[in-house]
Amino acid sequence: DAGVIQSPRHEVTEMGQEVTLRCKPISGHNSLFWYRQTMMRGLELLIYFNNNVPIDDSGMPEDRFSAKMPNASFSTLKIQPSEPRDSAVYFCASSLRLDAQYFGPGTRLTVL
Amino acid sequence: AQSVTQLDSQVPVFEEAPVELRCNYSSSVSVYLFWYVQYPNQGLQLLLKYLSGSTLVKGINGFEAEFNKSQTSFHLRKPSVHISDTAEYFCAVSARGGGADGLTFGKGTHLIIQP
Repeated sequence: DAGVIQSPRHEVTEMGQEVTLRCKPISGHNSLFWYRQTMMRGLELLIYFNNNVPIDDSGMPEDRFSAKMPNASFSTLKIQPSEPRDSAVYFCASSLRLDAQYFGPGTRLTVL
Repeated sequence: AQSVTQLDSQVPVFEEAPVELRCNYSSSVSVYLFWYVQYPNQGLQLLLKYLSGSTLVKGINGFEAEFNKSQTSFHLRKPSVHISDTAEYFCAVSARGGGADGLTFGKGTHLIIQP
């Protein structure tokens, strides 16, 4: 069975550009999570969805960040405009009910 | 709110020796506990989970962990490590289960296996 799929795996962009990260959760999972990993702050929860509805976005750093889940098999995390401090690895994870979360391979974002 | 403390940022161990990676948590409610492993430039892989039931939990790759509610700990152990176990290990906690709540992670412990 396919795991969580993220694209792109690497993204290099210039400050001020729009960045869109994509995630396909494991089929049948009903919760989806976006995390960010940096050396300074470790792993942080940005936002999560349950049955495609955003439940908690308190971890989204600021209005430049937005996330959508238009259907059960796809989610996007958008940064507009991007800044160098947004450079990090962004992970998507999915889960079914109370079970563990399963992570994708991540997108390494570099903003120059 | 929950918090997780991984007391050791690095643990060097000789190959075939036993290892224990420590994890303590803080929470005002019952929790669900997880250990994840991250190999270089890869995502997080679930090692094991405690949702309920037996406090001794066995996971993949020969790892196990014991939930101790009185000491608010969930230490990870392996009786004999291999070079391939070199990785970053993260302890995580959730108040309402993996699918109902975001995970709060510790800072991670880098396990270094020496030949």
